[in-house]
Amino acid sequence: EAQVTQNPRYLITVTGKKLTVTCSQNMNHEYMSWYRQDPGLGLRQIYYSMNVEVTDKGDVPEGYKVSRKEKRNFPLILESPSPNQTSLYFCASSSLQEGNTIYFGEGSWLTVV
Amino acid sequence: KQEVTQIPAALSVPEGENLVLNCSFTDSAIYNLQWFRQDPGKGLTSLLLIQSSQREQTSGRLNASLDKSSGRSTLYIAASQPGDSATYLCAVDDYKLSFGAGTTVTVRA
Repeated sequence: EAQVTQNPRYLITVTGKKLTVTCSQNMNHEYMSWYRQDPGLGLRQIYYSMNVEVTDKGDVPEGYKVSRKEKRNFPLILESPSPNQTSLYFCASSSLQEGNTIYFGEGSWLTVV
Repeated sequence: KQEVTQIPAALSVPEGENLVLNCSFTDSAIYNLQWFRQDPGKGLTSLLLIQSSQREQTSGRLNASLDKSSGRSTLYIAASQPGDSATYLCAVDDYKLSFGAGTTVTVRA
């Protein structure tokens, strides 16, 4: 089954404690991205990756890091989380060969206190 | 910068009525447009993708049209059912995805 898997799904953490949200896809998609969804602001792109070792900033990259060492994985790293990073995070993947239909993960609820 | 607007923000209809959801965008130089469904606390599920060269796409009770020149897309859902209750988002791809804020639909039994 085609899947984008995120972990953890729910996390409460404290300010400044580094955390990583993992994302893995099993469709061999070259394109992966991270979004955050906030009430009234909709979905905003954090980072994206066109392929292995190729990453670029989206609209709201401050406070986040990513890496793409393997095609299937695209972790999101919060080096020093702050309360304004409390949000619902989505990982997504797509492929030109599939007409760019986007597949989303189930989301990760992150609360920073 | 691409701006995507969805009106109305919320919609409540009785079961069986047809739904019309609107999406407008400011820059017509797009690659494609996608409609998504999002259930509360869940991820987004792709419903329809319209390539820039297409005028419409259909899947079952869903039909989406695209008018690039006027910067508009419309999602039609025929004979709505309570299970259609969700938030519907459109996303415009001009080699960077821009999302609308969504229309929250409630279908009353």
